[in-house]
Amino acid sequence: DTEVTQTPKHLVMGMTNKKSLKCEQHMGHRAMYWYKQKAKKPPELMFVYSYEKLSINESVPSRFSPECPNSSLLNLHLHALQPEDSALYLCASSQAFYPGAYGYTFGSGTRLTVV
Amino acid sequence: QQQVKQSPQSLIVQKGGISIINCAYENTAFDYFPWYQQFPGKGPALLIAIRPDVSEKKEGRFTISFNKSAKQFSLHIMDSQPGDSATYFCAASMDPGNQFYFGTGTSLTVIP
Repeated sequence: DTEVTQTPKHLVMGMTNKKSLKCEQHMGHRAMYWYKQKAKKPPELMFVYSYEKLSINESVPSRFSPECPNSSLLNLHLHALQPEDSALYLCASSQAFYPGAYGYTFGSGTRLTVV
Repeated sequence: QQQVKQSPQSLIVQKGGISIINCAYENTAFDYFPWYQQFPGKGPALLIAIRPDVSEKKEGRFTISFNKSAKQFSLHIMDSQPGDSATYFCAASMDPGNQFYFGTGTSLTVIP
């Protein structure tokens, strides 16, 4: 299995809702990442987990809450989002903490719309 | 500050032509330079990558040219096909490190 699987593929939520995005990989990768991508823009790093521990939080608002329950699973909990948070949310994983060493695999993303 | 600068923003090429996308960087600590291809509604997929000890790398119709002294690298797509129509991102990373620094992207359209 060489894929990063993200669910759901599409999500529409109201500003008062609580929802979660899920990311799963079975490649034995020990670094996992959340990115946010707006239309026609490059991905922006949000969080990095290394060996199930949060190692980087790129000043992301607290309405985004990441969780790494085990080495294969990464969640992003969403609460009280704003319309400007609408974007494609990408999960990625890499075998080593240095992405250039062993490559970096992106999931297909969750298209989030906040109404 | 944009760590990796990419041009052009958009590119239209005839089928069978050569598509060329350029990137430049400032940080000499970067030691891995991938190109990602992204189709609408999909995540970026690694296309080809190069390290600074090599000046050129070719995989099929895709070639990276790397100029270490100029701190520039480029992607050449030979015999461009309509199926190549996508957004292309160059990127750079360093060791130790944990992320890619992406260029701003190039929207490529190949017309039949």
